[in-house]
Amino acid sequence: GAVVSQHPSWVICKSGTSVKIECRSLDFQATTMFWYRQFPKQSLMLMATSNEGSKATYEQGVEKDKFLINHASLTLSTLTVTSAHPEDSSFYICSARDLGASSYNEQFFGPGTRLTVL
Amino acid sequence: AQTVTQSQPEMSVQEAETVTLSCTYDTSESNYYLFWYKQPPSRQMILVIRQEAYKQQNATENRFSVNFQKAAKSFSLKISDSQLGDTAMYFCAFMKHGVGDMRFGAGTRLTVKP
Repeated sequence: GAVVSQHPSWVICKSGTSVKIECRSLDFQATTMFWYRQFPKQSLMLMATSNEGSKATYEQGVEKDKFLINHASLTLSTLTVTSAHPEDSSFYICSARDLGASSYNEQFFGPGTRLTVL
Repeated sequence: AQTVTQSQPEMSVQEAETVTLSCTYDTSESNYYLFWYKQPPSRQMILVIRQEAYKQQNATENRFSVNFQKAAKSFSLKISDSQLGDTAMYFCAFMKHGVGDMRFGAGTRLTVKP
């Protein structure tokens, strides 16, 4: 149980285009999901907290107009990188909390999405 | 704000030996959780071990154990009988109770040598 999927696993796009990344909790409901960014050989940096049915909360320094987050259902959150540029190339990881489980203080991580912007 | 510090960018250990990875953190919170995650080359984050701050007893999961020193804000991970499959990046993480967002350390790259 407690599986989180991401789609796509790898995407290449041209500079100036927008890219959508999906994060799904497959066997549990997640009212809260988190989006992280990981540059090569670096740690995970929290970008935003995605709350079902409400606006996302962004970390300081993260452009909310560039990284659009939508959490329209209890099992799906999407991250859209708008007008992507080469510096947005990174590994994007989502995680989710299963508030209905005894392990609610644990986060379950997706496998990540590698974004390459040409 | 909470910060997590891992002062060992890289470590290596011989197979079957024991290695300890260090982690310190800074917080004014009294109720929180600490984690060690493993990130192999696949980059999938794998939970190794978790510690609740209110518990005095150190967590243990098979070959993995922690030394949690709350007053010193230290949370080290000990891997016993190291195996080749333990080769990975290891991240220490902090999570405040009730909030859910995690703060990660910079990571330690562990290599287990045959």
